[in-house]
Amino acid sequence: DTAVSQTPKYLVTQMGNDKSIKCEQNLGHDTMYWYKQDSKKFLKIMFSYNNKELIINETVPNRFSPKSPDKAHLNLHINSLELGDSAVYFCASSQATHTDTQYFGPGTRLTVL
Amino acid sequence: AQTVTQSQPEMSVQEAETVTLSCTYDTSESNYYLFWYKQPPSRQMILVIRQEAYKQQNATENRFSVNFQKAAKSFSLKISDSQLGDTAMYFCAFIPNNDMRFGAGTRLTVKP
Repeated sequence: DTAVSQTPKYLVTQMGNDKSIKCEQNLGHDTMYWYKQDSKKFLKIMFSYNNKELIINETVPNRFSPKSPDKAHLNLHINSLELGDSAVYFCASSQATHTDTQYFGPGTRLTVL
Repeated sequence: AQTVTQSQPEMSVQEAETVTLSCTYDTSESNYYLFWYKQPPSRQMILVIRQEAYKQQNATENRFSVNFQKAAKSFSLKISDSQLGDTAMYFCAFIPNNDMRFGAGTRLTVKP
């Protein structure tokens, strides 16, 4: 009955690799987000999608590309991974707009070696 | 710049006592939304409480309540009757326009 789920929970990989993190929400929400939490616990939004359309795209490297096959899924693809990409990545969703309460997934801890 | 400041990196409180976590923010918007999220060691981000800026009444949720001072741009969280399970990072956040901005967090430890 998990509302917002992410896979995998842990991801360890080498520099230069390409990886994906999947996110699914079963809340019927229209808007989904990706956040990055760095080693100092600072949370920053990366992307926001509403009904499969990109709404927010903060200044993140273009190695990061979100993909939304349908409004219940928002996957994050990362190409050519770098050491600085190591962080916890959170997916979230909200009912309609960005002003609605956001519900977070459990996070994916990415470690780049 | 639209920012959120949590000036207390760490706090501790004795079980059953009351603690207040501070948060200030900066925005030129007149309407916005404020939140407190809790992140326990499990890493899960859990909504604690939400406040709409146009509502003057302070939000409450069981043992959690806020003191929202719009003119001062302050949004503090009060936890009454602290429990061991309240030990976590607490993040203040607000949505001024299109995205949610988080403070740096306050690590709260409830001591037995």
